[in-house]
Amino acid sequence: DAGVIQSPRHEVTEMGQEVTLRCKPISGHDYLFWYRQTMMRGLELLIYFNNNVPIDDSGMPEDRFSAKMPNASFSTLKIQPSEPRDSAVYFCASSFGGALLEAFFGQGTRLTVV
Amino acid sequence: EDQVTQSPEALRLQEGESSSLNCSYTVSGLRGLFWYRQDPGKGPEFLFTLYSAGEEKEKERLKATLTKKESFLHITAPKPEDSATYLCAVNTGTASKLTFGTGTRLQVTL
Repeated sequence: DAGVIQSPRHEVTEMGQEVTLRCKPISGHDYLFWYRQTMMRGLELLIYFNNNVPIDDSGMPEDRFSAKMPNASFSTLKIQPSEPRDSAVYFCASSFGGALLEAFFGQGTRLTVV
Repeated sequence: EDQVTQSPEALRLQEGESSSLNCSYTVSGLRGLFWYRQDPGKGPEFLFTLYSAGEEKEKERLKATLTKKESFLHITAPKPEDSATYLCAVNTGTASKLTFGTGTRLQVTL
């Protein structure tokens, strides 16, 4: 398996634009997590899905952020409109059986909002 | 609210110089404590999960231990390839959420 695949690897966008980050989890995994990493706050969980259903989105910073998982092999994280403070590295991770077991992370998307 | 604190923030070792990284936590109902390694420009990579106080796990030059208040990641005779950021995380309650510390940046020099 190629592991968790995220795209794009880098995204530079202007403030106010819509940004969509994409994730393909490892085949057979039933949990998918979206994290955000910054120097100040470290790695923070934004939202996670179980069997394509959003379970906990309490980490989503505000209504500008939304996430979907239309099927077991694809998820998106959308920011609309984007703001400079959204600049961070966004990671997608997947696991089989939940957070008590090993989670596999993607390479991340480095987002810069100017 | 769950809190995870890692120390030191950065550590520089010479090759072969053993040391320990600390992860202290304040949580209610620890279900698991995790150690991950993160290389620059990459996602975290799983190392260990510890579930109860007294538990220990080893992998090559790394050994993780757990008490009721903290975990240690012991690095024995490190090599330059052990240079990375080491992240600690906890899972509590019934949800599948991990709370991460801000990490320890380890640099091992020749």
